[in-house]
Amino acid sequence: DIVMTQSPLSLSVTPGEPASISCRSSQSLLNSYGYNYLDWYLQKPGQSPQLLIYLGSNRASGVADRFSGSGSGTDFTLKISRVEAEDVGVYYCMQALQTTITFGQGTRLEIK
Amino acid sequence: QLQLQESGPGLVKPSETLSLTCTVSGGFISSNYYYYWGWIRQPPGKGLEWIGYMHSSGNAFYNSSLKSRLTMSVDTSKKEVSLRLSAVTAADTAVYYCARYDGSVSQGVFDYWGQGALVTVSS
Repeated sequence: DIVMTQSPLSLSVTPGEPASISCRSSQSLLNSYGYNYLDWYLQKPGQSPQLLIYLGSNRASGVADRFSGSGSGTDFTLKISRVEAEDVGVYYCMQALQTTITFGQGTRLEIK
Repeated sequence: QLQLQESGPGLVKPSETLSLTCTVSGGFISSNYYYYWGWIRQPPGKGLEWIGYMHSSGNAFYNSSLKSRLTMSVDTSKKEVSLRLSAVTAADTAVYYCARYDGSVSQGVFDYWGQGALVTVSS
């Protein structure tokens, strides 16, 4: 199985400041079509996870443009340009290249 | 708007079988070649673990660590997805989420999630 490793595991950010989360995979997530099968999800407190970014860099419908994803192969980054109070929660990366899906450990974002 | 709702016993005894049902509303289970119906779980205070997913055709993929104890099924007429996990232990205590997986080439996402159902394994 592909192992997903996130860093940092926790993050405390002042509102209005940027935030960045790294996700590394044990194998390349780039397939023959040129897509990176890497998604980002946010689980807000007491809620189900929600899709933020798919295929490494595509924002899901309704996701604020302060969220952006980048990277290719084995190294990926989720950036929040200006953190807002509603962004608190746990962020997970997930690989969908293989049919056996795996998630990162999660990164907890809190507001200072 | 597609909605998923998990249901089932909240308490299961060790060594018994955990059974959950996910009811789909606002859409069809068999509407698309690429849609799979999956389960993800989250032990209290921990991260997400993929359990498996299944297409309405019966094609299924399971987490290898759970495969020997796992059965999933899809009933298109009832619009239900079912999960059965046998020989449970305390380690199976978790919130169990039902989610739709879009496995098309340009997606690879869990785009709709249920609210989750907490299942506690305890005598």
